[in-house]
Amino acid sequence: AAGVIQSPRHLIKEKRETATLKCYPIPRHDTVYWYQQGPGQDPQFLISFYEKMQSDKGSIPDRFSAQQFSDYHSELNMSSLELGDSALYFCASSHLAGNTIYFGEGSWLTVV
Amino acid sequence: ELKVEQNPLFLSMQEGKNYTIYCNYSTTSDRLYWYRQDPGKSLESLFVLLSNGAVKQEGRLMASLDTKARLSTLHITAAVHDLSATYFCAVKETSGSRLTFGEGTQLTVNP
Repeated sequence: AAGVIQSPRHLIKEKRETATLKCYPIPRHDTVYWYQQGPGQDPQFLISFYEKMQSDKGSIPDRFSAQQFSDYHSELNMSSLELGDSALYFCASSHLAGNTIYFGEGSWLTVV
Repeated sequence: ELKVEQNPLFLSMQEGKNYTIYCNYSTTSDRLYWYRQDPGKSLESLFVLLSNGAVKQEGRLMASLDTKARLSTLHITAAVHDLSATYFCAVKETSGSRLTFGEGTQLTVNP
């Protein structure tokens, strides 16, 4: 079965640079979520979209922005990167009427 | 603000033994999730619990939910080494779509 696809899987950026993460949800899923997981931490909710509209917002820095496109893929844009942004970024998707939220493999961001 | 607490945070057990991980949460919820995570890997969905008294079982794992006590348990029966991983509970509030995760329980099953 198709899963949530994230790209790139790994990226290394320097401080003050910009990074863009992409997420392709499971087909026919209408809700996309972004989470950030620091080393040894639990995942922290950043933002979610339902039918291409922002549906919930968590502790997402102002330097970060996200959107969901007409084909339902989503992108997380991170600017003015800081060392503390180094983390594993997960995208997840679900069908609103369903129960399970499926996570992608994650994108490792290292800021040096 | 929703708080989710798991205990224990670290659990080392012998193969063949039974143990329970506890997940307490602070506000009303309509869904509780259990996930497994291997180091550096994705979050694998184990169970979704929707209602008070819900019990689900898959292999050596069984999850239950008591919404009145705001408590979920993940019971491990006759542990095997392959169960070694970090287990997270996550709670969805009645309003909104976000999941709030517990700190995770790092389980090590020793031969």
